[in-house]
Amino acid sequence: TQLLEQSPQFLSIQEGENLTVYCNSSSVFSSLQWYRQEPGEGPVLLVTVVTGGEVKKLKRLTFQFGDARKDSSLHITAAQPGDTGLYLCAGGAYDTNAGKSTFGDGTTLTVKP
Amino acid sequence: NAGVTQTPKFRILKIGQSMTLQCTQDMNHNYMYWYRQDPGMGLKLIYYSVGAGITDKGEVPNGYNVSRSTTEDFPLRLELAAPSQTSVYFCASSTTTGGTQYNEQFFGPGTRLTVL
Repeated sequence: TQLLEQSPQFLSIQEGENLTVYCNSSSVFSSLQWYRQEPGEGPVLLVTVVTGGEVKKLKRLTFQFGDARKDSSLHITAAQPGDTGLYLCAGGAYDTNAGKSTFGDGTTLTVKP
Repeated sequence: NAGVTQTPKFRILKIGQSMTLQCTQDMNHNYMYWYRQDPGMGLKLIYYSVGAGITDKGEVPNGYNVSRSTTEDFPLRLELAAPSQTSVYFCASSTTTGGTQYNEQFFGPGTRLTVL
């Protein structure tokens, strides 16, 4: 069974601060996604990383896939209250399990004005 | 484009009752999934399907059943509801891009189920 551990579990910061969320595993993934989920809604895809060492930027969000494709990080610069939500990482399985993802338990981010 | 729709949004069941959670997607995606999410937790895969007529178990399939007779629909059946099935249920779909499955999933709004 592939496991994904996210840290920290909870994060409460002031508007304007920077933060990094981590997603770690002992397994290798074919791809890794980050999602954001707001209360009462389903997760929404933010980004997919596929290549080891890959870095993608989405406005103030920077996503990195580890060289060995076992871990990832999400860095938010100058956080805003609109960034508040549950951030989930998900790793894609290989081969016969292609199409299945393992989800981490998430990081709950609160950005205070 | 509606994406993934789920009904109902909320439901309260008594122990031992049965119900079907409906899920429909209009994106012609071949992969569909059912997850449950307990408070403060991530998503646990219940069942998934790689296409019409094909289903497979996920991490937590006990107490649930699925069918996939069409590309669009993937209903989840709960038989003999138990308090442990109190959760939020999400349906999702995904597809291949250029022949590669990147596992990018599109989620419905969820069904909040309480079993008393």
